[in-house]
Amino acid sequence: QEQLVQSGAEVKKPGASVKISCKTSGNTFINYYIHWVRQAPGQGLEWMGVINPTGGSISDAQKFQGRVTMTRDTSTSTVYMELSSLRSEDTAVYHCARGGTTRGRYFDLWGRGTLVTVSS
Amino acid sequence: DIQMTQSPSTLSASVGDRVTITCRASHSISTWLAWYQQKPGKAPDLLIYDASSLQTGVPSRLSGSGSGTEFTLTISSLQPDDFATYYCQQYNSYPYTFGPGTKLEIK
Repeated sequence: QEQLVQSGAEVKKPGASVKISCKTSGNTFINYYIHWVRQAPGQGLEWMGVINPTGGSISDAQKFQGRVTMTRDTSTSTVYMELSSLRSEDTAVYHCARGGTTRGRYFDLWGRGTLVTVSS
Repeated sequence: DIQMTQSPSTLSASVGDRVTITCRASHSISTWLAWYQQKPGKAPDLLIYDASSLQTGVPSRLSGSGSGTEFTLTISSLQPDDFATYYCQQYNSYPYTFGPGTKLEIK
C-alpha cells in the first residue's frame, strides 16, 4: 500500500529553520506532484506549496514566499520542505500530500504529519 | 486568491440523520473541488473529488454536487464513523485553498 512517510517532530527556536522529509514510493516520486499543507493547533488546513515530478517547477503560497524551499532527492525518492525564519505562528502539523500526475488535482494520499513547535 | 467558505461551521446531528454541508467559492472553479474528512490527530482523508466523484472505498451514503461557486456534501444517513470535521478545497488554481471546516458533532 502506498504511503508517504514523514520525519519526526521538531522543536525549534524563533529565527531558526526546519527541514521536513516526506519519503514516497518510486512511482509516486516519478509521476506525482507533492504538496505541503499545514495545520496550526485547533485551526484549519493551509496550503503551502507544491513541487512537480521533475522538481523543476515549484509554486508556493504568497505568504510563504522567500521562506519555503522545496526540494527532491532522486536517490531516496524523498521530497523535502524547508521553512526558514521560524516564528511562533509557524507552530503546526505539516503534511505532505500527493496531488495528481498533472497540475490541478486533488490530494489522494497524505502523510501522517510532522509537528513543528517553535518556542524560545 | 480564491476564497472558500463553508456553512455551517458546526453541525449537531444524530445517527441516521441526513445532513448537508455547503461550500462556496469566491470565483468560479468549475468542478475542481474536493471534500476531505479529518478526525482528531489524523491526516485528512479524501472523500469526493471533481465535486461529485466518490473516492474508492468511501461509502455511498456520501455524495457531492455543485459547480461554479456553490457545492454541497450530503450524508444520507449518518453513522457513528461520520462524526468528524469536513473541509472543502479548490484545486482550480494556485494557491489552492481550503474552506474553514465544518465540525459534525453528535447531538
